[in-house]
Amino acid sequence: GAVVSQHPSRVICKSGTSVKIECRSLDFQATTMFWYRQFPKQSLMLMATSNEGSKATYEQGVEKDKFLINHASLTLSTLTVTSAHPEDSSFYICSAGREAFFGQGTRLTVV
Amino acid sequence: GENVEQHPSTLSVQEGDSAVIKCTYSDSASNYFPWYKQELGKRPQLIIDIRSNVGEKKDQRIAVTLNKTAKHFSLHITETQPEDSAVYFCAASMGGGSYIPTFGRGTSLIVHP
Repeated sequence: GAVVSQHPSRVICKSGTSVKIECRSLDFQATTMFWYRQFPKQSLMLMATSNEGSKATYEQGVEKDKFLINHASLTLSTLTVTSAHPEDSSFYICSAGREAFFGQGTRLTVV
Repeated sequence: GENVEQHPSTLSVQEGDSAVIKCTYSDSASNYFPWYKQELGKRPQLIIDIRSNVGEKKDQRIAVTLNKTAKHFSLHITETQPEDSAVYFCAASMGGGSYIPTFGRGTSLIVHP
């Protein structure tokens, strides 16, 4: 199947700093990518839809100024968690492609 | 929007037994139903999918059935093995260019040796 690569897999940052997560489609072009957040033992919660060349579409309740999404090319989308706080600690995962091929996920811990 | 309900939330079986996970969806326009397996700390992996033009699909020990009239679909795992232990998610979407899947809440399957 198609390959989606996400980086970094783990990150620990201090409160108030920003963290950038990258999602790349390695062997196909993706005009649309999706960003999810997953709490322990819970399902995948769609945060936003990343659209190449245009603004991301955010789900209700997701702060667009806090979770900045950029989809600069057909193979790369980035999620930046700005001014991170401990409550932002979570597992973030991206997907692309019709069959939703997922990246490896990023475990963010804010201390 | 679409709403996907998944049951049970946990399922414990003995090795060799069968396991069945059921999902219902609300939007009759949904036409693509994938199933994902997520092992602890790892990404969800697509294990099988079904489109609305078929009622059943099988791949070795895994099968999925779809009842469009009742708007429900199920995952069947036969001859379960300990390595089948994971969280399984169903999803529903309308496919096409704006594919946005809606996920069920997940089923934690535990296969006891």
